[in-house]
Formats: sequence, structure tokens, C-alpha cells
Amino acid sequence: NAGVTQTPKFQVLKTGQSMTLQCAQDMNHEYMSWYRQDPGMGLRLIHYSVGAGITDQGEVPNGYNVSRSTTEDFPLRLLSAAPSQTSVYFCASSYRGGAFEQYFGPGTRLTVT
Amino acid sequence: GDSVTQMEGPVTLSEEAFLTINCTYTATGYPSLFWYVQYPGEGLQLLLKATKADDKGSNKGFEATYRKETTSFHLEKGSVQVSDSAVYFCALSARIQGAQKLVFGQGTRLTINP
Repeated sequence: NAGVTQTPKFQVLKTGQSMTLQCAQDMNHEYMSWYRQDPGMGLRLIHYSVGAGITDQGEVPNGYNVSRSTTEDFPLRLLSAAPSQTSVYFCASSYRGGAFEQYFGPGTRLTVT
Repeated sequence: GDSVTQMEGPVTLSEEAFLTINCTYTATGYPSLFWYVQYPGEGLQLLLKATKADDKGSNKGFEATYRKETTSFHLEKGSVQVSDSAVYFCALSARIQGAQKLVFGQGTRLTINP
């Protein structure tokens, strides 16, 4: 049971480039989400999904796209990277019901130059 | 809206000292409450949780009690170790705009000196 996995661990992009951050979970969780973590800002929700085929925007969705074609995978796409997207990105998952505790991946550290 | 406020850090203690990190919340209804810990270079790990008033969550020597009357969920440990150095996040789960979400505090950086 690997839990929540994320790739890559580190990435450097030039302004205007696009890329996809991968996230997968093997716990059969319905709910998945993406956060970004910036110094002094805590965690901010980018997008989330309550099940395959269903996604919605969080607090800071601009510049990011998501899709959820399977229960296991929830990729985050940066369409045209900007320096303001330099951050650490975390994917998390949880099962519906219960206390709604979320399980986090190890993170992707992204730098946009 | 729902929110979580943590004591500002950084907090620096000596090994074996008593630890308290304050957390208060604002929420409609009765949220579940959590403490997460983030070690350097890693993701967040669930440390403990409480789902109703007067519940006490505990793990690895850490404790926190859900206090509805004071809307608080303070984290405590009787004797800290160098290995407890990390960033600690208080969080609540709430239904926001029709979906269940976690709302996080800003985090408190804890450093334990030997």
C-alpha cells in the first residue's frame, strides 16, 4: 500500500512552459485535492474532486487545470507557467464520510524562472 | 466563514520541556478537528484528531482536547524531543459550498534544542 504518490519530486520550468504534476492513490478514496504551500501562507486549495469525472475549483484555481478520469489518478496541469506559481504542491486524498481526514503525498517542489 | 487561528511561531524549546501550541477555530456546526505535522522536506502527516466536543485525540505523546465552549484544540506534549522539530498545522473539516473541505491554520514551526 503506497498511499498517495506524487511525481516529479522537483521541477524547474521556464515562464510560459506547460507541465503536468502527477498524483495517484491506491486507497480507493473518492475525494482527492491539490494544495499549494507558500511561505507564511499555509496550504491553499487549488482544485478538488469528489469522484471520477467530477472536479471543482478551490481557493486559488487560476492557471491550473485538473481532470479525474479514474478513482486512482488526479493530475494537475499548469497551462503556461508563471513565476507566481513557484511553490510546493501537495496532493491529498480521503474517503467520503467519517471525520474527513486527508492523506498527503510527499509533494512536488516547482520553480518557475 | 470557517477559519483556524494558530499561535504564531517560531517556537523554540529545550529538550524535555512542556509544549503547548494554541489553536482556536470559527465554524458553523460541529466540525472535526485535526493536528497535522510536517517534517522537513516531507508532506503533512495526520498526528491526531477529535470528532466531537470533549474528545481527546492522542498520538506519540501529543494530546489535544476538543473544547466547544472555548472553540479551541490546543496541542500539548509533556516532554519534547529533538525529533519533534517540525511544522504543526491545526485544521478543521467543514462543508463549504456544498463540499467537504479541510481548513488549515498557518502552521507553527517548532524547534527543539538538545
